[in-house]
Amino acid sequence: GENVEQHPSTLSVQEGDSAVIKCTYSDSASNYFPWYKQELGKRPQLIIDIRSNVGEKKDQRIAVTLNKTAKHFSLHITETQPEDSAVYFCAASNEAAGNKLTFGGGTRVLVKP
Amino acid sequence: KAGVTQTPRYLIKTRGQQVTLSCSPISGHRSVSWYQQTPGQGLQFLFEYFSETQRNKGNFPGRFSGRQFSNSRSEMNVSTLELGDSALYLCASSFGGDEKLFFGSGTQLSVL
Repeated sequence: GENVEQHPSTLSVQEGDSAVIKCTYSDSASNYFPWYKQELGKRPQLIIDIRSNVGEKKDQRIAVTLNKTAKHFSLHITETQPEDSAVYFCAASNEAAGNKLTFGGGTRVLVKP
Repeated sequence: KAGVTQTPRYLIKTRGQQVTLSCSPISGHRSVSWYQQTPGQGLQFLFEYFSETQRNKGNFPGRFSGRQFSNSRSEMNVSTLELGDSALYLCASSFGGDEKLFFGSGTQLSVL
């Protein structure tokens, strides 16, 4: 089955700096890669996603890049703000497997003012 | 549009008991998935239901089961509870053909 590894497990950045989280996946059939943000005590929220036919996608301060050959994808947050502090999860799925997401272990991001 | 609703929010049970969790998806969504979240194992897929049929199943023992009703609402049942079943159980819904999952706030289950 699919295996997703996520690094780093914790990330501390100064407000205004950039944050980068990297994930690798094992199943070359995976074709959908979402990112979720989970604040303490709250539900995971989809912040951005990318499909395998696209190499990069951007939404304001957030961007995701995908390298299918290397089987890795990354989340980039620019101009970080204290409200970006949360746990971020990457995930992968194969459309043929329906809505079965395999999640990475999560990255705890702390933005210091 | 209302989000995914899970009830109850908190549950305390003892070993050996059984429990039923409920999930109401976003209106119009036909797929409901269940995930277990623990500090040690992270987010793990339990199963997915689409149009009242189980479409996918994760690697959990048979004590974990679920079902979906004709109105897309779903229930998850855990029988013979073990201490290790203590976790946040998250339900997520999607339209069906689109993988965008929207999560509920979860049910925090504590097994004593």
